[in-house]
Amino acid sequence: QQPVQSPQAVILREGEDAVINCSSSKALYSVHWYRQKHGEAPVFLMILLKGGEQKGHDKISASFNEKKQQSSLYLTASQLSYSGTYFCGTEMDRGSTLGRLYFGRGTQLTVWP
Amino acid sequence: DGGITQSPKYLFRKEGQNVTLSCEQNLNHDAMYWYRQDPGQGLRLIYYSQIVNDFQKGDIAEGYSVSREKKESFPLTVTSAQKNPTAFYLCASSSWDRGTAEAFFGQGTRLTVV
Repeated sequence: QQPVQSPQAVILREGEDAVINCSSSKALYSVHWYRQKHGEAPVFLMILLKGGEQKGHDKISASFNEKKQQSSLYLTASQLSYSGTYFCGTEMDRGSTLGRLYFGRGTQLTVWP
Repeated sequence: DGGITQSPKYLFRKEGQNVTLSCEQNLNHDAMYWYRQDPGQGLRLIYYSQIVNDFQKGDIAEGYSVSREKKESFPLTVTSAQKNPTAFYLCASSSWDRGTAEAFFGQGTRLTVV
């Protein structure tokens, strides 16, 4: 039930764009995105709900394709502060574990000046 | 300020000893979670609790125990039965509202067995 994230790592120059994908083999109700700096707590970015719209703030946005059970996180015109590990957390659409999140293994993003 | 507090930040334990990690939240959240983080493994769920005096095993509960006597507190005990306890442990809480259960994380406890 753990979602699969890709790629495992991304290296960018400031100003470049990146896409991180999160796929599940189970039907999903929601997808959460978090960013974690080294040695710190993960910080919430956004939630996408089944049937909901694409979300975003500043230059970070995300989409949720219900047919494919896949979510994508888009980082445009990347900044140095975007560096960190990005995790997706998925909530199942049905079953006994409603509300519980399953996290992917993370995508390490490094932005160089 | 509302938040979630873990203590201690660093913890060293001798093999064969039990150790308890503290987690306190003042966000009035019903749900609390313990995750273990190892390099390249993501966040793996150890235990979670939706209400006081109730908790469920996660994916890697063996060698761990928890209690939930108060809404604000969810301590994790790493027992001597845990074969490889050295890891970064994260506590989190959420409102357990389906689809909006944004998780708030503590700063983590790094446990090292010596």
